[in-house]
Amino acid sequence: GAVVSQHPSRVICKSGTSVKIECRSLDFQATTMFWYRQFPKQSLMLMATSNEGSKATYEQGVEKDKFLINHASLTLSTLTVTSAHPEDSSFYICSARGRNQQGRDTQYFGPGTRLTVL
Amino acid sequence: KQEVTQIPAALSVPEGENLVLNCSFTDSAIYNLQWFRQDPGKGLTSLLLIQSSQREQTSGRLNASLDKSSGRSTLYIAASQPGDSATYLCAVKKNAGNMLTFGGGTRLMVKP
Repeated sequence: GAVVSQHPSRVICKSGTSVKIECRSLDFQATTMFWYRQFPKQSLMLMATSNEGSKATYEQGVEKDKFLINHASLTLSTLTVTSAHPEDSSFYICSARGRNQQGRDTQYFGPGTRLTVL
Repeated sequence: KQEVTQIPAALSVPEGENLVLNCSFTDSAIYNLQWFRQDPGKGLTSLLLIQSSQREQTSGRLNASLDKSSGRSTLYIAASQPGDSATYLCAVKKNAGNMLTFGGGTRLMVKP
């Protein structure tokens, strides 16, 4: 069945460095990808929505220059956290929307990436 | 703006109990509603999806109902097991092309 993968699953970095997280859709083409952030014991908060080949739409309060999103193909989206700081430490989850093998519009979630900024 | 609320925020029950998780949403014009499970430090697993025209969906020991007019959904878990311990999230979608709006989740602990 359709699967969404994320890489890496866990990353620890020093403050000031940049971190790239990849989100791939397997077995289907993702016309839209969503990036969520989840702080401990809180629900998911949508950060941005990206459509293949166009600029991402960011939610209010999310800095687009800090969280760079690239959706260059129908199977890959990347989120780059630039100049990361400890307050960026969080669980980042991507989600891909597209048509599955049965032709139905659906949405799948990745397993998440745990980012820890020291 | 759609707001999704889940009650209770946390729940602890002994093994074997039947339990109900509640989800309410402010805008009844939804496309579908979905229940997810999230284990600590893990991503989301979709449990049940209810289209706006449906009233309930069942999968094994899980049953989800939807009352669009009152803006409510419930997730019923029968004969709970310790392995059911997780955070349960409900999310609604306004239309086919729109994003999901999540509730705050219910953290469930089933004690052996």
